[in-house]
Order: sequence, then C-alpha cells, then structure tokens
Amino acid sequence: DADVTQTPRNRITKTGKRIMLECSQTKGHDRMYWYRQDPGLGLRLIYYSFDVKDINKGEISDGYSVSRQAQAKFSLSLESAIPNQTALYFCATSDLQRMEDTQYFGPGTRLTVL
Amino acid sequence: QKEVEQNSGPLSVPEGAIASLNCTYSDRGSQSFFWYRQYSGKSPELIMSIYSNGDKEDGRFTAQLNKASQYVSLLIRDSQPSDSATYLCAADSGGGADGLTFGKGTHLIIQP
Repeated sequence: DADVTQTPRNRITKTGKRIMLECSQTKGHDRMYWYRQDPGLGLRLIYYSFDVKDINKGEISDGYSVSRQAQAKFSLSLESAIPNQTALYFCATSDLQRMEDTQYFGPGTRLTVL
Repeated sequence: QKEVEQNSGPLSVPEGAIASLNCTYSDRGSQSFFWYRQYSGKSPELIMSIYSNGDKEDGRFTAQLNKASQYVSLLIRDSQPSDSATYLCAADSGGGADGLTFGKGTHLIIQP
C-alpha cells in the first residue's frame, strides 16, 4: 500500500461549490503539506502543519483552509471553488525527527473547477 | 522571498550522454537541497539529497553543491530514455522551519 494517499484522485466541480481534498499517511511523519502545481509555475505551498495543533499558511493560502484531524490526516478545503483553482494538488509529508526535510509526495488530485 | 531558479528547458541530450541540470537558490540559510524527478501528471519522486559542499554520487546520479556560489547541480550519466522527465530542485530554510522552496523544474528529453 502507498505510504501517502490522496482522495479523490480526480474531481470536477462547479464554481461556488465547497470541496474537500483528503490526505492520509502511514509513514508516521509529523509534518504534512499541501501544494498546488500549475503548468509553468512549479509547486507552490498552500498550507503546512508540523503537528495536530500547528497550522501554518504557505505562499498561496487565500481561498483555502485546512484541517489536521490526526497525525495521519490532513485535509484541504476550498470553501467556494473558482476556475483559477483548477490545478494538480499534492499532499506531502516529512519527518520532524530528522534534520533534513525530505518530503514524500502523494499521488496527487487533479481538480477542475468549471 | 526565497527563490530557487532553474532553466525550464527543454534540455535535449542524446542517449548515453551526460545530462547536466543546474539550480541556484537565494536563501543563504538553506542547509538541505533536493532533486526530484517528475513524470507528466505524476507526483515528484526524490532522486538525491545533498547537505554538504562537494559531490554526492548514487548510481548514475551525482549531485553537486557549492554553498558559496549558492549553486546545486545534478549530473545523470549514461542517460536513458526513461530519464526523460521534469527535474525539480528544492531547498529548505534550515531545519525545515518553512518547508521546501521548489524551482519550476527543468524538462529533460533524452533522445534515443
């Protein structure tokens, strides 16, 4: 089984709808991250969490919210989806106990907002 | 603002040759550097990490770090068509306080 899983893998929704993307991990890592990837713009950090009680905004948090329900689960919500949130979304994890910050990525969720 | 810069390419290299990918970073406090490989529509996959000045080799891959010049490179020897992908360079902020900053990636094409 994959260490980092994301659901759904693909989602098409309409403008104004609320949508939640979910991430689960079995790696036992404390840190979890949400990124979006757009062609030509690379990976951009939306939110990150270093433990259940710690949530931090990333570079592009506007229009998004997150919930860290447990060490292993980190959800990303779009309260009112808009077309420019169409992108590939990745969840990632890393190990707080290690000095280096190697991040391990989930398979991604392709979101289309019509 | 922390930045990681890469040439977007495409970089075209004949099969069997050495592919050289380069990256510069702006944050002198960065301690750890990473190269990820990403196939189209797939998630980034870690290729190499490097923390000290000099070279680090792993199979056909060699990462090079020069902190004085704020420069990181990745060499791929005996390039194979399966190496065709986008390569992402990433740098941390020292202890991972703010996660990683990624470059936009270099698109590498290995020509058979």
